[in-house]
Amino acid sequence: DAGVTQSPTHLIKTRGQHVTLRCSPISGHKSVSWYQQVLGQGPQFIFQYYEKEERGRGNFPDRFSARQFPNYSSELNVNALLLGDSALYLCASSFSVEQYFGPGTRLTVT
Amino acid sequence: GQNIDQPTEMTATEGAIVQINCTYQTSGFNGLFWYQQHAGEAPTFLSYNVLDGLEEKGRFSSFLSRSKGYSYLLLKELQMKDSASYLCAVRSTGTASKLTFGTGTRLQVTL
Repeated sequence: DAGVTQSPTHLIKTRGQHVTLRCSPISGHKSVSWYQQVLGQGPQFIFQYYEKEERGRGNFPDRFSARQFPNYSSELNVNALLLGDSALYLCASSFSVEQYFGPGTRLTVT
Repeated sequence: GQNIDQPTEMTATEGAIVQINCTYQTSGFNGLFWYQQHAGEAPTFLSYNVLDGLEEKGRFSSFLSRSKGYSYLLLKELQMKDSASYLCAVRSTGTASKLTFGTGTRLQVTL
């Protein structure tokens, strides 16, 4: 079975722009979570979606938003990009307890 | 809130045993996870503890003491490929399956 997939792999944006990151969960997984990982730190929770509903939100500004589609794929949107948004964005899907991470999208904001 | 502490770096010799400690303070505990992350890659699941005691899986074992807010990951028969960051993460109670991660322990395995 295919694992969690994310696109794009890498992305370079300019301050003030917006970005959309995409995630496809493992087949049969209905829950998707998004994490931000800054270099040298552990991942930080941004959102969790289950059955297209937001189940949890981390301590991130309103510039961050997400949604989940009927096929359980998900998008993370970030508006008005700041230099500090440069990070690895990880998507994780789960069926029950264990979360499986995708390869991530490396976002660089210049 | 939640606070998770683990050592920043550790070094060990190939073939040896290493123990990576993790202490946590949490307002709601629903399990502790260990993940391995090689540089530039996604975290991969190693172990999950929700009850006190030792969980063994091949060369890797994980221990949990909920009363002490303490866990460790034990790696036996170290191999060079075990050089990676090891992340301790606590799952909180509630409707969200939120994981709160520590900063990770970077393990360097040497000859």
